[in-house]
Amino acid sequence: GENVEQHPSTLSVQEGDSAVIKCTYSDSASNYFPWYKQELGKGPQLIIDIRSNVGEKKDQRIAVTLNKTAKHFSLHITETQPEDSAVYFCAASRGYGGSQGNLIFGKGTKLSVKP
Amino acid sequence: DAGVIQSPRHEVTEMGQEVTLRCKPISGHDYLFWYRQTMMRGLELLIYFNNNVPIDDSGMPEDRFSAKMPNASFSTLKIQPSEPRDSAVYFCASSPTRRGTDTQYFGPGTRLTVL
Repeated sequence: GENVEQHPSTLSVQEGDSAVIKCTYSDSASNYFPWYKQELGKGPQLIIDIRSNVGEKKDQRIAVTLNKTAKHFSLHITETQPEDSAVYFCAASRGYGGSQGNLIFGKGTKLSVKP
Repeated sequence: DAGVIQSPRHEVTEMGQEVTLRCKPISGHDYLFWYRQTMMRGLELLIYFNNNVPIDDSGMPEDRFSAKMPNASFSTLKIQPSEPRDSAVYFCASSPTRRGTDTQYFGPGTRLTVL
């Protein structure tokens, strides 16, 4: 089955710097890669996702890149702000429309943005 | 939309007692997922339903755990009897099946402590 590895487990940056979190997956059939942000005491919230037919996607300060050949994808946060501090999870899935598959999550990265 | 609703938000019980966690998915979503989150194991999928029917319960740890979805707007996860190792945060998530939209939306979670 699918296995998702996420690095680093903790990341500390200065406000305004960029943060990069990387994930690798094992199942070449995976085609959906979401990123979730979890704040203390809350459930994970989707922040961005990418599908296998796209190599990069950007939404304001957040971007995700996907390399299907190498089976890895990354989250990039630019101009970090203290409110970006949270735990970030990557996930991979074969799920698509009517053939919903399981989301397999990485172990998470605790991001701390220091003012 | 109110999002996924879970109750209770916190539950403290003694070993051997029955625990019932409740979830109301987002209206119109026909997939419902139950996850467990611990520091050691991260986010684990326990079971998921499609149109109220259990599709995959391979993540349910043992027979002490059971889940039901009697209708499209309500699901329960029951642990009987509970054990201290069941202490975790339990999340419910729901998802629509419109093609290209398999994003999962998480509830706020139920923090379970078994003494």
